[in-house]
This record gives sequence, structure tokens and C-alpha cells, in this order.
Amino acid sequence: AQSVSQHNHHVILSEAASLELGCNYSYGGTVNLFWYVQYPGQHLQLLLKYFSGDPLVKGIKGFEAEFIKSKFSFNLRKPSVQWSDTAEYFCAVNNGQNFVFGPGTRLSVLP
Amino acid sequence: EPEVTQTPSHQVTQMGQEVILRCVPISNHLYFYWYRQILGQKVEFLVSFYNNEISEKSEIFDDQFSVERPDGSNFTLKIRSTKLEDSAMYFCASRLTSGGATDTQYFGPGTRLTVL
Repeated sequence: AQSVSQHNHHVILSEAASLELGCNYSYGGTVNLFWYVQYPGQHLQLLLKYFSGDPLVKGIKGFEAEFIKSKFSFNLRKPSVQWSDTAEYFCAVNNGQNFVFGPGTRLSVLP
Repeated sequence: EPEVTQTPSHQVTQMGQEVILRCVPISNHLYFYWYRQILGQKVEFLVSFYNNEISEKSEIFDDQFSVERPDGSNFTLKIRSTKLEDSAMYFCASRLTSGGATDTQYFGPGTRLTVL
């Protein structure tokens, strides 16, 4: 069965620190990969997505993610986080049928 | 920008009662989904719906759940006899096509269901 794992349950950073959130999936076929963000009290919003082409994908708010096919990974990065980035981040995989979400990583950015 | 809307934003109900959660997908989208997120846990797929029928459902989506598209705009999730463990945030999502470059699900704001 398709599954998605995220390396960290909770990450705490200071403002201006660099961020990398890990995501690995298990599915041998072609997948589309996504990162969603959920700010406190709000709904899921799409940060970025990968379908094909350049494995380095740029999203909104300065986020980017790199698809490494050989590692089944799609890690999210941001060079300098802000307090407003405090949220829950979900990696998701779509094999054309439905989405499978990772368990989420809570990011807390300290001012 | 078009968006998925959901009503109500918060529903409180007694155990054993029926609830209907409502969603209005983006108007030209063809695929519809329900997900739930129990507090502190990950988002879980419940059901997908296309062409007026369920195309896929998870183990969570048992006989107490049903979905319907009663008219051209609404997409509803009914829980027939709620249980305490049904308390969660329920997200509706819609998608234009089945795959390719437009394969992005757009999520609604969610309905928080509290079962007492």
C-alpha cells in the first residue's frame, strides 16, 4: 500500500534559520507530489507540487522542494524562516487515484 | 480565484444523531473528495466521487457514511449515527480532471464536527 512518512513530528526553529522537512513515500509507479500547509485554525493550502520536469520545484512564500526519485523523497526547504511560517506541513502523494497524506510536521518558529 | 466552500464551519451534535456536512466544490470541477483529520493526527482519505457515484472509498467510510451530489453545486457527506470518534475536521476537496497538469485538489476550509 502506498504510504508517506515525514521525518519529524515537531520542528522548532528561530527566525532566519534554514528549514528542511523530510518526506519519503513508498510507491513504485509515477506519482505526483505535493506539500500542503495548514496555518493554525485554517484549512489546507497548496505550497507547491511536482508532476514532472525539473526536480527542484519552487512554491509560494519562498518554499522549494526537491524530488529525488532514487530516494523516493520530496523534501521541503526554505533558506530563512519567519515567525509567520509557524504551521503544520503535510507532504502528500497522488498516484492518480487519491491522495495519501503524511502524518504532518509541526513547525514552530520562535521570534 | 474560485474556491471550495463548506458549511457549517462548526457542527456540534449528540452521539447517535445524524449530521450532514455540506460542500460547494469549484464550479467546473468533476472529481470530489472528503477527508477527515482527527485532532493531532494526519489527514485521512474518506471517499472520492465522480460522475454521480463513488469511485473509491477507504476503510473508514463504512455504512454509516454516505455522499451525495443532490444538485449541480452541492456535495454532501452524511453521517447517519454519529459516534464520539467521528469528532474531527472534515475537509472537502475538488479537482478538475483525473490527472496531468491540472491534477491539483483544492481544499475547502473544513467543518469541525464535535460529537458529544
